[in-house]
Amino acid sequence: DTEVTQTPKHLVMGMTNKKSLKCEQHMGHRAMYWYKQKAKKPPELMFVYSYEKLSINESVPSRFSPECPNSSLLNLHLHALQPEDSALYLCASSQTGLARETQYFGPGTRLLVL
Amino acid sequence: GQQVMQIPQYQHVQEGEDFTTYCNSSTTLSNIQWYKQRPGGHPVFLIQLVKSGEVKKQKRLTFQFGEAKKNSSLHITATQTTDVGTYFCAGLPSYGKLTFGQGTILTVHP
Repeated sequence: DTEVTQTPKHLVMGMTNKKSLKCEQHMGHRAMYWYKQKAKKPPELMFVYSYEKLSINESVPSRFSPECPNSSLLNLHLHALQPEDSALYLCASSQTGLARETQYFGPGTRLLVL
Repeated sequence: GQQVMQIPQYQHVQEGEDFTTYCNSSTTLSNIQWYKQRPGGHPVFLIQLVKSGEVKKQKRLTFQFGEAKKNSSLHITATQTTDVGTYFCAGLPSYGKLTFGQGTILTVHP
């Protein structure tokens, strides 16, 4: 099984809402990633968890809060977002978190902030 | 900082024509990866190149890694409508993080 799943597929939220994005993989990978992708742009790395510990935070605003409950699950908690945060949020996983590893991407959550 | 430049930004071809996208890095890379993202989809890993001068083929796709390990190309022979999408390279320097190129958006006209 080389699938990474993400829920929800689409999300519309107001600037005062609190919501969460979820990601799951069953490939036995020990590293999971959050990316943000704007239209016609490459994915931008936000966070990396390796062995359930946050290893990289790319200076992401605190209104985005990641959580890794176990090695198969990754959440992204959203609070007080801005309209410019509207984007496709991609989760990915890889074996251990080394940069040279293949990353397997989920289908993404399309987020619209009103 | 490390940069990976990818050209062209857009490419429109007639079905059956060839297509090439190029990536250039400001620093020597330990490897380069290529991803394809279909419209409305997510990036899907295609291949990784590690060795200087390496050439790999996947059916109609040919991937090359330059001798200096600073550039790479993806060539598609006889494009089909199923090749439509955005092709990203992602370069990994010896020290640093994986950096995506800006992507090439390929349109194939039947």
